[in-house]
Formats: sequence, C-alpha cells, structure tokens
Amino acid sequence: QKEVEQNSGPLSVPEGAIASLNCTYSDRVSQSFFWYRQYSGKSPELIMSIYSNGDKEDGRFTAQLNKASQYVSLLIRDSQPSDSATYLCAGLMGNTPLVFGKGTRLSVIA
Amino acid sequence: EPEVTQTPSHQVTQMGQEVILRCVPISNHLYFYWYRQILGQKVEFLVSFYNNEISEKSEIFDDQFSVERPDGSNFTLKIRSTKLEDSAMYFCASSELSDGYTFGSGTRLTVV
Repeated sequence: QKEVEQNSGPLSVPEGAIASLNCTYSDRVSQSFFWYRQYSGKSPELIMSIYSNGDKEDGRFTAQLNKASQYVSLLIRDSQPSDSATYLCAGLMGNTPLVFGKGTRLSVIA
Repeated sequence: EPEVTQTPSHQVTQMGQEVILRCVPISNHLYFYWYRQILGQKVEFLVSFYNNEISEKSEIFDDQFSVERPDGSNFTLKIRSTKLEDSAMYFCASSELSDGYTFGSGTRLTVV
C-alpha cells in the first residue's frame, strides 16, 4: 500500500514567519512529489512539484525532497494570512496514480 | 491558463437515484482521473482513464460506478443507485504523462 503521511495540524504561524510543512511516504520507488493548496470547500491547486533530491524554489515557496529519508517538505517564507489553507502532499510512486496525504491545515495569524 | 471544467457544481439527489457528473479536461492532456473527498477526509483516487479505457481503479470504484468519454471533450462519472455515503466532493483531473494533475473545481454531491 503506497501511502503519504502528513501531520494534520493545525500549524499556526505569525504573519511574516516561515511555515514548514512536512510529509513522509512509504514507497522507495518514488518518482515525483507535489504540493497542493486547498482552501475550504475548493479544489486542490498545484503550487509546487519536485522530482529530484534537493531544493526547488519558486517565489516564497521552497520544496525539499530527500529520497533516502523518504521525506518531502514545503517552506513558505514571509507567510501571509492568504496562505491560510490546507496543504496537501501528493506523490507519484511507481505506476500508481497520485496518492494524497490527509493534508496539514496552516493558519497564518495577522 | 487552461483549466478543467466540471458541471454541475452542486447536485442533490435522492438515495437510489443515478447521477452523472461531467468534466471537460484540458484539451492536450491524455490522462484523466476522478477523485473524491468526503468532508474532512483525504482526497481519494477513484479511477484513471487513458486511451479510451480505464487504466486503473481503486477499491472504491465498484460496479456502482462507471466512466465514459462520450465524445472528444467530455469525461463523465456515473454513479448508479446512490447511497448516503456517496455524499462527497468529486474532483475530475487531467494530466500529461508524469506531471502534477490539474483539478477541476469539483461537484458537491449530496445524497438525501
């Protein structure tokens, strides 16, 4: 069973701080990982993808992948109240379709 | 920005009735998916579709469910004889080969 595990939170950070979101996955034959943002009642929105070990930066977002530790993270710099949402970690592992974690609820306090 | 379109946005149906949820994937994408999310729970895979046939399906996708691509643009999910526990958000998604999936805005299905 291929699984993605996330701490459900909530994670609360003050405005302007760095939010750190983490996820682990079960399958060593991993390919690609994605971070989605989901506002309440809305659909998942892709914000970052990462395919190889190391860091990938896009604006205020940095994704990190460590395949040896089976660990993926997302850092959000200069957090804004509009970043308050549930962040879903998802992975393409082997030939299976995208597998989602339960999501971490982030609350950015103004 | 290309998008995946889903209709209707909200569907209320009586238990035992059939519903059809509709999706228009991004035009140059070849892979199509249906996921569902029960309120407060994780996004769960139902079925994937490629080259006009089901490529993979989950345990959830039993004989009650079917998918179809009736023409060159639409992709539908049919749920026969709906049950109360089918109440959920249903998301259609499409993708190119190994990229992240683009999700539609979803259909909220309420079975009463």
